[in-house]
Amino acid sequence: KAGVTQTPRYLIKTRGQQVTLSCSPISGHRSVSWYQQTPGQGLQFLFEYFSETQRNKGNFPGRFSGRQFSNSRSEMNVSTLELGDSALYLCASYLQTGGNNEQFFGPGTRLTVL
Amino acid sequence: AQSVTQPDIHITVSEGASLELRCNYSYGATPYLFWYVQSPGQGLQLLLKYFSGDTLVQGIKGFEAEFKRSQSSFNLRKPSVHWSDAAEYFCAVVAPLIYNAGNMLTFGGGTRLMVKP
Repeated sequence: KAGVTQTPRYLIKTRGQQVTLSCSPISGHRSVSWYQQTPGQGLQFLFEYFSETQRNKGNFPGRFSGRQFSNSRSEMNVSTLELGDSALYLCASYLQTGGNNEQFFGPGTRLTVL
Repeated sequence: AQSVTQPDIHITVSEGASLELRCNYSYGATPYLFWYVQSPGQGLQLLLKYFSGDTLVQGIKGFEAEFKRSQSSFNLRKPSVHWSDAAEYFCAVVAPLIYNAGNMLTFGGGTRLMVKP
């Protein structure tokens, strides 16, 4: 079974631009979560989606948004990029809601903002 | 506030030595508990999890962890470390359902493991 796929793997943008990252979950998984990883703040939760509905949102500004499609693929968008948005963005997929899920992570998208 | 603490930022062990990585959580009820490993430039790989039942759980790559409710701890252990175990290790929790936090993982700060030959 294929794992979680994230595209692109690497991205370089300049301040003020916007970016869209994509995540394809494991086949059959209906839930996707996104995390930001930085050296200073560690791993922080961005959003959680289940069946195209946002179920949970972390403490990030409105410039960070996401969505999930009917095939469970998910995208996240960051508008008006800031230097501090440089990070590894990780996507996790799992079967369903409820806390007792094994969450499988993709390799991440490394975003660099210049 | 709910939190996850990994007291050791860096740990160095000799190859073949035993390993214990500490993790403490602060929640009013027992959360769901996880350990993940991350190699440089890679995503997170799940080593093991605890949801309920037997407090000693076995994971992949020869790792095990013990849940101790009285100490609010979930320490990761390995009897004999291999050079390939050098990586960063993250303890994570999903809050109990009463917190209505869905599947949000709250991570500790991580412990970087170095293995001496």
